[in-house]
Amino acid sequence: SAVISQKPSRDICQRGTSLTIQCQVDSQVTMMFWYRQQPGQSLTLIATANQGSEATYESGFVIDKFPISRPNLTFSTLTVSNMSPEDSSIYLCSVEASGRDETQYFGPGTRLLVL
Amino acid sequence: GENVEQHPSTLSVQEGDSAVIKCTYSDSASNYFPWYKQELGKGPQLIIDIRSNVGEKKDQRIAVTLNKTAKHFSLHITETQPEDSAVYFCAASSGTGNQFYFGTGTSLTVIP
Repeated sequence: SAVISQKPSRDICQRGTSLTIQCQVDSQVTMMFWYRQQPGQSLTLIATANQGSEATYESGFVIDKFPISRPNLTFSTLTVSNMSPEDSSIYLCSVEASGRDETQYFGPGTRLLVL
Repeated sequence: GENVEQHPSTLSVQEGDSAVIKCTYSDSASNYFPWYKQELGKGPQLIIDIRSNVGEKKDQRIAVTLNKTAKHFSLHITETQPEDSAVYFCAASSGTGNQFYFGTGTSLTVIP
């Protein structure tokens, strides 16, 4: 398994501002994923972030709104830009711990409230 | 793309009873089926998973069954305890590097 931490754990932000969420893993991983979980809902994949390449975004999510960095094999950031109340969600990062195993492990999440 | 349906959305059981959550999937290419438990204020935690070359897997009080022909898989929790209360998500994937498709979640309440 992998131990994943996220910062911040929660935040309250004003509309129009941006927030950068950090995800740190205790081991080197190839694949990292960012998910959004709206209140009381399931998980929706925002993008896949591989080290050394551009993130791959899912339908409905764009780089201008959710820029992602992946500078090394243990770290990634997701920025939520120009926030609106509709961006209030839990943002989760996950990792595929081994290239031979598709199991994904999740971080504790960042709880974002936009006013 | 893959579509995963999960039932029921809520489930209440008496402590000590069994709980069963069912999921169906649509893509025959899916071959990996994990189950996650999410407690309030926490991230999803992997509790058990099964691959398509296996029909059943058990880990203490938790078991998962898979019917590839019918494209459905189920989570079974026996001798439920209050600490089993949480939201449970099923998911399906077609392999390494591919995204997970999640079910809509089941909120399980175990009544002491």
